[in-house]
Amino acid sequence: AQSVTQLDSQVPVFEEAPVELRCNYSSSVSVYLFWYVQYPNQGLQLLLKYLSGSTLVESINGFEAEFNKSQTSFHLRKPSVHISDTAEYFCAVSEAAGNKLTFGGGTRVLVKP
Amino acid sequence: GAVVSQHPSRVICKSGTSVKIECRSLDFQATTMFWYRQFPKQSLMLMATSNEGSKATYEQGVEKDKFLINHASLTLSTLTVTSAHPEDSSFYICSAGVAGLDTQYFGPGTRLTVL
Repeated sequence: AQSVTQLDSQVPVFEEAPVELRCNYSSSVSVYLFWYVQYPNQGLQLLLKYLSGSTLVESINGFEAEFNKSQTSFHLRKPSVHISDTAEYFCAVSEAAGNKLTFGGGTRVLVKP
Repeated sequence: GAVVSQHPSRVICKSGTSVKIECRSLDFQATTMFWYRQFPKQSLMLMATSNEGSKATYEQGVEKDKFLINHASLTLSTLTVTSAHPEDSSFYICSAGVAGLDTQYFGPGTRLTVL
């Protein structure tokens, strides 16, 4: 069985400031790791993923996440946020390709001007 | 590419009626589809996994007779909420994936309100 913990349910941040969203997981097997973003009243969009290889993965809109196996973490960061980054962010894991996802509780990011 | 649609996007129904939600993969063939429900300000909870042409696998605590899932083709899965009650009101989200590939593609969700 797997579980995902997102320690912060809400993160207020000022525009152009950095943000870090924490994600820790537990699993008895190797996992794939994902970050999804959900804008109000919309479905989920894949932000980035770690499958293997380089532990630092990046998205096209400036987010990055680093897989740390020893700490079982996959924290998400952005050095400078925009108002448009206001959304809910979900960390998720799966045990195998195409397998079911286990989601964390989500972190609501509110970017203030 | 990899677009998943859901219909309807929003539905309001009376208690006791049944509601069908469709999930379609528009530009790819999905061997597996997943159904999630999301309560306000909460995370997604997997309800069931369906593979084309076979019976869905339900998660523990999900009533299979209440939430009927049909995956009749590689591009369509349906979720029918039978005899809906107010506690079934939720945001239902489907996702579609291809066997052996790592990414699921999510639909925009269907908001169900049962009066």
